[in-house]
Amino acid sequence: AQTVTQSQPEMSVQEAETVTLSCTYDTSESDYYLFWYKQPPSRQMILVIRQEAYKQQNATENRFSVNFQKAAKSFSLKISDSQLGDAAMYFCAYRFFGNEKLTFGTGTRLTIIP
Amino acid sequence: KAGVTQTPRYLIKTRGQQVTLSCSPISGHRSVSWYQQTPGQGLQFLFEYFSETQRNKGNFPGRFSGRQFSNSRSEMNVSTLELGDSALYLCASSLGPGGNSPLHFGNGTRLTVT
Repeated sequence: AQTVTQSQPEMSVQEAETVTLSCTYDTSESDYYLFWYKQPPSRQMILVIRQEAYKQQNATENRFSVNFQKAAKSFSLKISDSQLGDAAMYFCAYRFFGNEKLTFGTGTRLTIIP
Repeated sequence: KAGVTQTPRYLIKTRGQQVTLSCSPISGHRSVSWYQQTPGQGLQFLFEYFSETQRNKGNFPGRFSGRQFSNSRSEMNVSTLELGDSALYLCASSLGPGGNSPLHFGNGTRLTVT
């Protein structure tokens, strides 16, 4: 069975600084997708960034980028120039190709310090 | 384009009752998935529907059921409610399996069982 592990229950960062959230996963599949979702107090799960496992290039979306290490099964999220609006729970998630089921990690609560 | 709409946003029920939650996917999306989110168990997959057929089911008792209509709208039903069913229920939609379409989530329905 696939598992996703987020070992940092809470993180904090000064506004405008950079923070990295960690995620590791376990799977025997070769084709899969990895995602980072954020969940602010409004409860809606918002897609931050995604990575296809077959792509070697790390995905980037504006201030958000990932460090995808397929051999190590590691998928960390880097947030640059942190903003107050980035405060939220961040969930790492896995989905294997052809399947719509997401397996989530336990989340990291990110606090932005003004 | 309107996002995923879940109704109602809040619900309070008594043990033993049943409840029906509704989810309208993004226009054009044909796959709908349901997740249960609790502080203790985190985010857990309930089931997924595509073209009115259940494709995947999580490890939940038979009291949890769902269906999808021809317009892709979905409902989930929980019968004989238990206190432990108190949770945030999230619905997500996507274009469908086999593609590269990410899941988009609604704001959730907060169910409280007393």
